[in-house]
Amino acid sequence: TQLLEQSPQFLSIQEGENLTVYCNSSSVFSSLQWYRQEPGEGPVLLVTVVTGGEVKKLKRLTFQFGDARKDSSLHITAAQPGDTGLYLCAGATIGDYKLSFGAGTTVTVRA
Amino acid sequence: KAGVTQTPRYLIKTRGQQVTLSCSPISGHRSVSWYQQTPGQGLQFLFEYFSETQRNKGNFPGRFSGRQFSNSRSEMNVSTLELGDSALYLCASSLGGRDETQYFGPGTRLLVL
Repeated sequence: TQLLEQSPQFLSIQEGENLTVYCNSSSVFSSLQWYRQEPGEGPVLLVTVVTGGEVKKLKRLTFQFGDARKDSSLHITAAQPGDTGLYLCAGATIGDYKLSFGAGTTVTVRA
Repeated sequence: KAGVTQTPRYLIKTRGQQVTLSCSPISGHRSVSWYQQTPGQGLQFLFEYFSETQRNKGNFPGRFSGRQFSNSRSEMNVSTLELGDSALYLCASSLGGRDETQYFGPGTRLLVL
């Protein structure tokens, strides 16, 4: 059983549409990170959220950390083909050094 | 600042052999973590080294081992390779404090035949 549950597992949308990826857990995290990974490469950090209720914006990407610090979401507005990739959420429970990863959401944006 | 580097990028081995993978962290980072990524299991934590000591360990058999050198570079060794060890092996470095952001290398793709 994954500590972090991501949904959906796959998402295929048309260029210009919006999408949301969810990351949920029953555990409390001191911080949560979102990564994007392209085939054959390592995950690249997009954002770290640390405060419950925090919202961070990165151009067309909006990240939210739940008030209770158990869940997070990633919203992409007007998706572009360059947004295609595997999106991973990862978190460290309070006092822990190691990260636990969700299984990932594969996003495909069709031109 | 240079990113995390991993060598080699690709490797083909046969069952029963052993393999050593190398990771050079970002300059100033003292923690190196290793992960195995497969399509079925996703990213699984192997172990973490900090200041040459293993600080955390995942649930992998003893065939998987690692070490860290005084310059923070790390190596991971897998002995008696099995077909199921075929995966992308990723290392990530961080400053080493709790909740520190980890930065990943490009990975080593290992294929066991």
